[in-house]
Amino acid sequence: DIVMTQSPDSLIVSLGERATINCKSSQIVLSNSKNKNYLAWYQQKPGQPPKLLISWASTRESGVPDRFSGSGSGTDFTLTISSLQAEDVAVYYCQQYYTTPPTFGQGTKVEIK
Amino acid sequence: EVHLLESGGGLIQPGGSLRLSCAASGFTFRNYAMTWVRQAPGKGLEWVSTLSASGVSTYYADSVKGRFTISRDNSMNTLFLQMNSLRADDTAVFYCAKDPDRSGSYLLDHWGQGTLVTVSS
Repeated sequence: DIVMTQSPDSLIVSLGERATINCKSSQIVLSNSKNKNYLAWYQQKPGQPPKLLISWASTRESGVPDRFSGSGSGTDFTLTISSLQAEDVAVYYCQQYYTTPPTFGQGTKVEIK
Repeated sequence: EVHLLESGGGLIQPGGSLRLSCAASGFTFRNYAMTWVRQAPGKGLEWVSTLSASGVSTYYADSVKGRFTISRDNSMNTLFLQMNSLRADDTAVFYCAKDPDRSGSYLLDHWGQGTLVTVSS
C-alpha cells in the first residue's frame, strides 16, 4: 500500500498569514502516460464530513477560494493557504487515488493563533 | 445539488451484522461509482469499499474483505453496505461518497454526513 505522510501534524497560524501543509507519498503517484498526479486534498471542519478542495494535485474544485492552492509532483506535494481565514480552521487530509487501496494522510490540524 | 444521506448505523454487539444505506439525489446515480469511507472516533479517514456504476466491479480494503459487501440499487438511487462479523475496531462514522467516474477513480467529490456504527457489548 502507498503510505501518505503529512507534516506537520498540527499548525497554528495567525489570521492573514500563510499556512503550508506537506504530503509525501511512499511511491510515485504520477501517471506518465496521462501526465497527472493522482493526489487530492480534503478539508474536514469540526463535526462535518470531508470536502474535496483540490484534485490532480493542483486543480481547485468549483467554489473553493483561490487562497487555497496545491502544488508538487511525483511523491512530494503541498497545500498552501495563502491568507488564513477563521473559517479555514479544520483538519486537512491528502489522499492518493493512483492505486488500490486509495490511502489518506494522517491529517494536519490547522488552528488560529 | 448533490445530496447523500446515510442511515442504518447504531449500537451492535461484536459478531453482529448491520446494513448501512446511502440515499442519493441531485445527480444521475447510475452513472457514477460510489464509495464507503470510515473514520474511527478522533482518527483519520480509511477507505472501505468502492462499487462501479454498473455494480459489477467491487473493491474492498483488506480489513473488511470477506465481512463487508457493497451493493447498489440504481432504480432506488441507493448504495448499501452489508457488514457482518463486526468487531470493536469497526467502530466508526461511515461516510458514503460519490466518485466523478463510472468505473471508480477513488477520487471523492461529494460526501454524505455520515452514520455512526458502534460495536460494543
